[in-house]
Amino acid sequence: NAGVMQNPRHLVRRRGQEARLRCSPMKGHSHVYWYRQLPEEGLKFMVYLQKENIIDESGMPKERFSAEFPKEGPSILRIQQVVRGDSAAYFCASSVSNSQETQYFGPGTRLLVL
Amino acid sequence: AQSVTQPDIHITVSEGASLELRCNYSYGATPYLFWYVQSPGQGLQLLLKYFSGDTLVQGIKGFEAEFKRSQSSFNLRKPSVHWSDAAEYFCAVGNFGNEKLTFGTGTRLTIIP
Repeated sequence: NAGVMQNPRHLVRRRGQEARLRCSPMKGHSHVYWYRQLPEEGLKFMVYLQKENIIDESGMPKERFSAEFPKEGPSILRIQQVVRGDSAAYFCASSVSNSQETQYFGPGTRLLVL
Repeated sequence: AQSVTQPDIHITVSEGASLELRCNYSYGATPYLFWYVQSPGQGLQLLLKYFSGDTLVQGIKGFEAEFKRSQSSFNLRKPSVHWSDAAEYFCAVGNFGNEKLTFGTGTRLTIIP
């Protein structure tokens, strides 16, 4: 019974490159959430997706960040033209359905921008 | 807007001693409340949650938390800590119809022999 899977676990990019972070939700879960954790801070909500739909992207930066959750395959968080301030841990969580269900978190992707 | 305050950034307790981590939330209606634990370099593991009903909730690893509406608090407790409890603890709040969780800034727990 695999949990939420994220890859890569660690990602190093140079300024200006693109970063792609992948998240496979738990089996049977159709809701995916992305959070960002900056050093020494708590997690901040970024985006909430269901299959083929973005439900709430109120926490996403206006530029360079995008997310998708296609019908088939993992959810992708894409960061274009990365900057040093994007260095953080990015966590994905999934749940069975709506807000009354617990969100289960993956191990995170640690992004380092040089 | 909902918010969570964890007033203690860092707590040190002796192994075997009791523990209480504080969490205060701000939200108009009845919130959904969670405690998660994060070990260094790891993801978050759910310790316990409160949605409704009994205000004293039991979680994994011997933890419990009590929801006090009058104080807008959801403090985490453990009667006797173990060295393996050393980690970062996050309180979070959610609510019906708004799926995103709002997290506190965390409390780092250090255990001394």
